[in-house]
Amino acid sequence: QVQLQESGPGLVKSSETLSLTCTVSGYSISSGYRWGWIRQPPGKGLEWIGNFYHGGNTYYNPSLKSRVTISVDTSKNQFSLNLTSVTAADTALYYCARAGNNWLYWGQGTLVTVSS
Amino acid sequence: QSALTQPASVSGSLGQSITISCTGASDDTAFMNYVSWYQQKPGKAPQLVMYDVSNRPSRVSNRFSGSKSGNTASLTISGLQAEDEADYYCCSFTDKKTLVWVFGGGTNLTVL
Repeated sequence: QVQLQESGPGLVKSSETLSLTCTVSGYSISSGYRWGWIRQPPGKGLEWIGNFYHGGNTYYNPSLKSRVTISVDTSKNQFSLNLTSVTAADTALYYCARAGNNWLYWGQGTLVTVSS
Repeated sequence: QSALTQPASVSGSLGQSITISCTGASDDTAFMNYVSWYQQKPGKAPQLVMYDVSNRPSRVSNRFSGSKSGNTASLTISGLQAEDEADYYCCSFTDKKTLVWVFGGGTNLTVL
């Protein structure tokens, strides 16, 4: 059973960098599929942030591309999200997930609040 | 980046059927073949209920069905039950090479 678990600070100061990690169990991220991040501001809809395919490229939402980096640590079966220069608009529930042609497996999500 | 447009809300009575539409940009017909749908209940992560337009994961009730016409995909739920009340999101990617994904704005389903 594939499981994903997000971790990281729940509070980030405005203009600083948001950093989250997704730990995967039940499947090796180096074996395939696309792995990525999706967020959901409180009371709003889902927004794709970006994803990578192990051994391939990393793709980002054009609206966030200048601030986002997704990196991978295969030794720990983890991947991470860095979002720089955050503002209140980045306050959201952040999910990590696995995709083929659809997002089948999701983490439970972690709420990140940007404070001024 | 193309947008996927959904109605903000739909409602239906117990036992009835409802359909949620998801409309892509006019030049996105090909990518609408990969539309997936997600059900999200309060405080929970989204769950896949339909993929590649009309394929249903094994755990999903056969009351859920999907279809597509041109640049509009649809999710139909028949025999509405109280447990179907949730937010529903469609999703697809806009470029199969670069895999830029987009979600619809979401539709809140109320079961009366």
